[in-house]
Amino acid sequence: DTAVSQTPKYLVTQMGNDKSIKCEQNLGHDTMYWYKQDSKKFLKIMFSYNNKELIINETVPNRFSPKSPDKAHLNLHINSLELGDSAVYFCASSQDRGQGGTGELFFGEGSRLTVL
Amino acid sequence: GDSVTQMEGPVTLSEEAFLTINCTYTATGYPSLFWYVQYPGEGLQLLLKATKADDKGSNKGFEATYRKETTSFHLEKGSVQVSDSAVYFCALTSPPHSGNTPLVFGKGTRLSVIA
Repeated sequence: DTAVSQTPKYLVTQMGNDKSIKCEQNLGHDTMYWYKQDSKKFLKIMFSYNNKELIINETVPNRFSPKSPDKAHLNLHINSLELGDSAVYFCASSQDRGQGGTGELFFGEGSRLTVL
Repeated sequence: GDSVTQMEGPVTLSEEAFLTINCTYTATGYPSLFWYVQYPGEGLQLLLKATKADDKGSNKGFEATYRKETTSFHLEKGSVQVSDSAVYFCALTSPPHSGNTPLVFGKGTRLSVIA
């Protein structure tokens, strides 16, 4: 079983469209994240959720709206897509420090978004 | 804020050569340190970690030692293989009182090993 799974793996769409990426983890972790990796491989945190609550929102445009229906799922919806949104988006999860976590993140395989 | 600086790539080595990828950090308190590896077309995998000063993380022939005095966590391998070709990321997280904080990543170093 895949620990952190994201769908879709590839997404090609036109500017102005709205799209969603889904993420699920079966590790029992309380914290989930979205990272953006640009064309130069730089990884930047976008959002962090702990037990369905938004903890971190790192100056991401409000066209990006994360949603966590339960602690095992964290979806990312993007409105009015722009060329600059083209990137690989990674979902990750971690076990809380209070439950023995070390800060290690477990990553999904990524979702490559191409905006034309 | 916390930050990680790692050597710019790309790094190209011949098979069986010695590898060093430098990583230094700036953080408040005592962070945990990590090396992640990203193979082409894949997600990030944890390679090794160290959670306190002088700890040595090791895995698959790779090693890194947490040096508080030099705020460094350099990655080394004695003899690289073609299969080690990937992008390597140094990262840190500063412990909160509870919950978690996201990893802060360096910019990544691309390693190419040629036969």
